[in-house]
Amino acid sequence: GQQVMQIPQYQHVQEGEDFTTYCNSSTTLSNIQWYKQRPGGHPVFLIQLVKSGEVKKQKRLTFQFGEAKKNSSLHITATQTTDVGTYFCAGRYNFNKFYFGSGTKLNVKP
Amino acid sequence: DTAVSQTPKYLVTQMGNDKSIKCEQNLGHDTMYWYKQDSKKFLKIMFSYNNKELIINETVPNRFSPKSPDKAHLNLHINSLELGDSAVYFCASSQRLGGYTFGSGTRLTVV
Repeated sequence: GQQVMQIPQYQHVQEGEDFTTYCNSSTTLSNIQWYKQRPGGHPVFLIQLVKSGEVKKQKRLTFQFGEAKKNSSLHITATQTTDVGTYFCAGRYNFNKFYFGSGTKLNVKP
Repeated sequence: DTAVSQTPKYLVTQMGNDKSIKCEQNLGHDTMYWYKQDSKKFLKIMFSYNNKELIINETVPNRFSPKSPDKAHLNLHINSLELGDSAVYFCASSQRLGGYTFGSGTRLTVV
């Protein structure tokens, strides 16, 4: 069935380093969303990408949707300790639901 | 004002018991969801309701029964709780296929 693969599972970085998490699907996605979940918290919606090749920025965060709409990435420039958490992508095919990736847990060392 | 509120926040109960989790959203969204997050943080959809109508019913044991009295409420009742039901259960809502707003979660521990 439909599945969204997300890598890496974990990433440990020094504060100030960059971070990227990737999502891949074997079939074309209609759109993709990104969420952040702080430790002990709940997922919080960050952004939705719809168009092929779309790039969106939110301060130090850059989101990309691949040309074939089968992959997406979230890049954080110059990480800060406030970036700690698990980042999830959620991809939609032509159904009424999103399939969540397994998440990338980011740890930032001060 | 909390946008999506679910109660209780914590639930510790014995195997075999029946329990309910309540969820309410004040965002005017037309779709509500229940998600289960296991110990490995994997988020799995269980149910989705659109304007009180069940639209997604994943492969979930029939011990789990959702109820939506109106489009602002979606409750989850679980019968005959098992150890494997221990997880964090999140309620969420969205407008059409926009971003989800999640509740703060209910941590269920079955002992």
